[in-house]
Amino acid sequence: DTGVSQNPRHKITKRGQNVTFRCDPISEHNRLYWYRQTLGQGPEFLTYFQNEAQLEKSRLLSDRFSAERPKGSFSTLEIQRTEQGDSAMYLCAGTSGVMGEAQYFGPGTRLLVL
Amino acid sequence: EDQVTQSPEALRLQEGESSSLNCSYTVSGLRGLFWYRQDPGKGPEFLFTLYSAGEEKEKERLKATLTKKESFLHITAPKPEDSATYLCAVLISSGSARQLTFGSGTQLTVLP
Repeated sequence: DTGVSQNPRHKITKRGQNVTFRCDPISEHNRLYWYRQTLGQGPEFLTYFQNEAQLEKSRLLSDRFSAERPKGSFSTLEIQRTEQGDSAMYLCAGTSGVMGEAQYFGPGTRLLVL
Repeated sequence: EDQVTQSPEALRLQEGESSSLNCSYTVSGLRGLFWYRQDPGKGPEFLFTLYSAGEEKEKERLKATLTKKESFLHITAPKPEDSATYLCAVLISSGSARQLTFGSGTQLTVLP
């Protein structure tokens, strides 16, 4: 158990609806990452935070996606106007930020867009 | 462009049949290579970090090695509970991002 929790674990929604996921890292994780994983593929980087600052976004992150990390603790990832192509596992990972340190993943949120 | 390729895509072994998984990478400025284990429906579980060519790490039946172009995950006398997808990922020094770039994984099945 990495101590990183994600909620909800599963989400089924209809195309066009908005969804929000939450990630709670452990207190030592001042860096927090979001990844997306589709079936048969490795996780792909979406965005990351250093404390409360969002420092980088992937080209994969369209303007329908927004992420926040208020106060540098938990983080939320919101997808607006969901599309069927958004169906995937959304993973968050935390690390203390020391160069070369492993990232510790949560259990993920499985999203299915109908 | 940075690339990470894992082979084989899938591997079926009999219990006790040792084998190796391969992760080859083409990156500049490698700061670390990571191995993760992922069970169905769960997040990746950290196994090892390797930083420089020649380095080796061991944990139970698993041993990871690193060269300048690839890494191997050796599985000695595997058991059915070792069945999982094994992912490798590289960390590069590019700006401040430090995100992991993953391969597609090797799905390992160990038959009793």
